[in-house]
Amino acid sequence: GIQVEQSPPDLILQEGANSTLRCNFSDSVNNLQWFHQNPWGQLINLFYIPSGTKQNGRLSATTVATERYSLLYISSSQTTDSGVYFCAVEQGETSGSRLTFGEGTQLTVNP
Amino acid sequence: DAGVTQSPTHLIKTRGQQVTLRCSPKSGHDTVSWYQQALGQGPQFIFQYYEEEERQRGNFPDRFSGHQFPNYSSELNVNALLLGDSALYLCASSFGWGYEQYFGPGTRLTVT
Repeated sequence: GIQVEQSPPDLILQEGANSTLRCNFSDSVNNLQWFHQNPWGQLINLFYIPSGTKQNGRLSATTVATERYSLLYISSSQTTDSGVYFCAVEQGETSGSRLTFGEGTQLTVNP
Repeated sequence: DAGVTQSPTHLIKTRGQQVTLRCSPKSGHDTVSWYQQALGQGPQFIFQYYEEEERQRGNFPDRFSGHQFPNYSSELNVNALLLGDSALYLCASSFGWGYEQYFGPGTRLTVT
């Protein structure tokens, strides 16, 4: 099956710093999603980005499908950005679909 | 607009018992997927239901089964519970397959 690798596994920042999280995948994909998992376990949708670039406030994401990677940018980080960030990909299927997740990046933003 | 809901929030069971978890999809969604997330890992796909049929299945034993009802809600059943089944169980919904999935808050299952 497809492999999804996220880096770095852990990241510690001071409030106000910028960061880039990376997601590499081993095969072509139809869809890619970025999530933020809060301390209570809720997965919050950040981006649905099979290709191209999107921005939402301080967050932006870029997926280069031909080179099999996606980047999540966080600017001017805040303590509330802390948590685990997951990348998940979906390959085209003839019936149904499934998301394959990476192992996540644990982000800690210190005040 | 109600999001994905799951019940119960927490559950404690004993080895060998059976458990049923429930999920109601986001309004307008007709496809439900289930994932298992062990501590410190990313979620793992269990199966997906659409039009009351299992459309995709991950690498999980037959002890894991599911159902989708005409109103698109879904149940996940796990028989003969093992200690290793302790995890956060997440339900996701979408409008058809291959589209953006939205997750519920999860059910935390502890098997003792």
